[in-house]
Amino acid sequence: DTGVSQNPRHKITKRGQNVTFRCDPISEHNRLYWYRQTLGQGPEFLTYFQNEAQLEKSRLLSDRFSAERPKGSFSTLEIQRTEQGDSAMYLCASSFIGLAYEQYFGPGTRLTVT
Amino acid sequence: GIQVEQSPPDLILQEGANSTLRCNFSDSVNNLQWFHQNPWGQLINLFYIPSGTKQNGRLSATTVATERYSLLYISSSQTTDSGVYFCAVDPSSNAGNMLTFGGGTRLMVKP
Repeated sequence: DTGVSQNPRHKITKRGQNVTFRCDPISEHNRLYWYRQTLGQGPEFLTYFQNEAQLEKSRLLSDRFSAERPKGSFSTLEIQRTEQGDSAMYLCASSFIGLAYEQYFGPGTRLTVT
Repeated sequence: GIQVEQSPPDLILQEGANSTLRCNFSDSVNNLQWFHQNPWGQLINLFYIPSGTKQNGRLSATTVATERYSLLYISSSQTTDSGVYFCAVDPSSNAGNMLTFGGGTRLMVKP
């Protein structure tokens, strides 16, 4: 079990550019979650998938944010037309819905928009 | 939505001291987790504890679900315990869905 992995670990982009982050969950975990964490705050939920179905997306911050999990394995989070306010740590987590709901987090992708 | 409050917000300890961190939540929960966020931002799972008491080495946690609070105990603190401790809950109305995090307790352990 290699844990949740995220790539890239760091991303610096210019305002107005599009960025895409990837998350690989723990194998056999059927739920995958995206969170955002700004400096000095706790993580904030964005969206989640069960297998390939996106079950909650109303918390995505704007229509510039979108996420996919096309084959129920890895997921991508895309931010279009980035703004300086998008600078944050983007965290991915996964869990196996069965007897418990414990979520395990990846190391995060730190985004800086200049 | 559910409110999660953690106290104290900041804590400075001398190495070897004990401490208690508190998490209050405003509604019933079916998941409560404690995390330690290291300086690189990684959230490390400490406890999955929607109710009851658990212990892992120098750390232990107790959740009293009927009174809507959880406590994290750190005994004989070490400098490596420094970092931010988060409590996160999943309200009963949204089983297995999103976690709502508290604001964290920032712990510094001095040698």
